[in-house]
Amino acid sequence: EIVMTQSPATLSVSPGERATLSCRASQSVGNNLAWYQQKPGQAPRLLIYGASTRATGIPARFTGSGSGTEFTLTISSLQSEDFAVYYCQQYNNWPLTFGGGTKVEIK
Amino acid sequence: EVQVLESGGGLVQPGGSLRLSCTASGFIFSNDAMSWVRQAPGKGLGWVSIISGNGRSTNYADSVKGRFTISRDNSKNTLYLQMNSLRDEDTAVYYCAHGADNRFNYWGQGTLVTVSS
Repeated sequence: EIVMTQSPATLSVSPGERATLSCRASQSVGNNLAWYQQKPGQAPRLLIYGASTRATGIPARFTGSGSGTEFTLTISSLQSEDFAVYYCQQYNNWPLTFGGGTKVEIK
Repeated sequence: EVQVLESGGGLVQPGGSLRLSCTASGFIFSNDAMSWVRQAPGKGLGWVSIISGNGRSTNYADSVKGRFTISRDNSKNTLYLQMNSLRDEDTAVYYCAHGADNRFNYWGQGTLVTVSS
């Protein structure tokens, strides 16, 4: 099983600042990596797939990068609606696995 | 607009059974794989199972293999998850997700399953 490790667990950021979230895979997943955003009491929402392709309707301030084992989600200028938990997921191998999440909170 | 709606959750005793349903609209249901993903209270996401568009291919997480069965009825645009031999650790919100290319493009709002005596 591929283990996905996200860091940091919690990120405190002021509105308007940049946030950088990391996701590491225990073995290569190519670019078969997705990012999701989840707000309290809501279902997750797909942000990024293919490591760097924004899903439909996702603002340009969300950028995904990386390949192989190291991936990054960057939010260029945090808006109030961006404070949430973010998960990465690999879909290169079975079983499909998620990272433990990074909570982005208001500083 | 894609819509996904789960139902069937509830309280069940350990060792019991429950069947979840998920109805979908806004896309050609029979063309695409569908998945179940769960989230224990206060925890992260965990993939449970996936089924191909025609229903012929399935896959399961090891933690549910042999106890859960995924199926679909394309004539009703409905996905199912039959859960048997339920354990305390199966307590979670269960999400139905459109799973094309093994990523999760659209999610329902989830249905809570509580396993407790």
